[in-house]
Amino acid sequence: AQKVTQAQTEISVVEKEDVTLDCVYETRDTTYYLFWYKQPPSGELVFLIRRNSFDEQNEISGRYSWNFQKSTSSFNFTITASQVVDSAVYFCALSGPPSGTYKYIFGTGTRLKVLA
Amino acid sequence: NAGVTQTPKFRILKIGQSMTLQCTQDMNHNYMYWYRQDPGMGLKLIYYSVGAGITDKGEVPNGYNVSRSTTEDFPLRLELAAPSQTSVYFCASSFTGGTEAFFGQGTRLTVV
Repeated sequence: AQKVTQAQTEISVVEKEDVTLDCVYETRDTTYYLFWYKQPPSGELVFLIRRNSFDEQNEISGRYSWNFQKSTSSFNFTITASQVVDSAVYFCALSGPPSGTYKYIFGTGTRLKVLA
Repeated sequence: NAGVTQTPKFRILKIGQSMTLQCTQDMNHNYMYWYRQDPGMGLKLIYYSVGAGITDKGEVPNGYNVSRSTTEDFPLRLELAAPSQTSVYFCASSFTGGTEAFFGQGTRLTVV
């Protein structure tokens, strides 16, 4: 069965601190996709990144970086020099082909509070 | 450029009533999904569809029904509403199961 675990329910940091959001996933599939989404206080869901199971390269986009490690089934998200505007709930998601169709499931989210 | 459109945005239902949440997308996406988000919680998959005429259960399908007669539309039916169905409902679509999902603005449903 597929599962996504975000053990950190809520994190508070002071502006300009670095913060890492953890994501651990479970799947028996060899082909799968991992995602991160952001939900700001306004409530919409914003796509941040997608990674397939065959691409373990880390990625950096501005202050955001992602570390994908198949050996530990983890896909962690780091925000460098956090800003108040980063305050949001962040979701990790997994999509894989159980029986050939893709279920797109989410973790429970991590609420990040960045204090000025 | 509408993307994913959900209606209504807000609704209050009485226990035992039924309603349909509408969702339509104009991106010609094959995959569509319905999620519920309870206060302070994550997104739970209710139902999903991989194309017109094909639907399947997600993690929490009980109390809901769906249909997918066209590529664009994926309505969610609530039969005999219960207080436990009070939630924010999100519809989403993606081109394939492995691509970015686009979400609607959500429907806030309260069952009293």
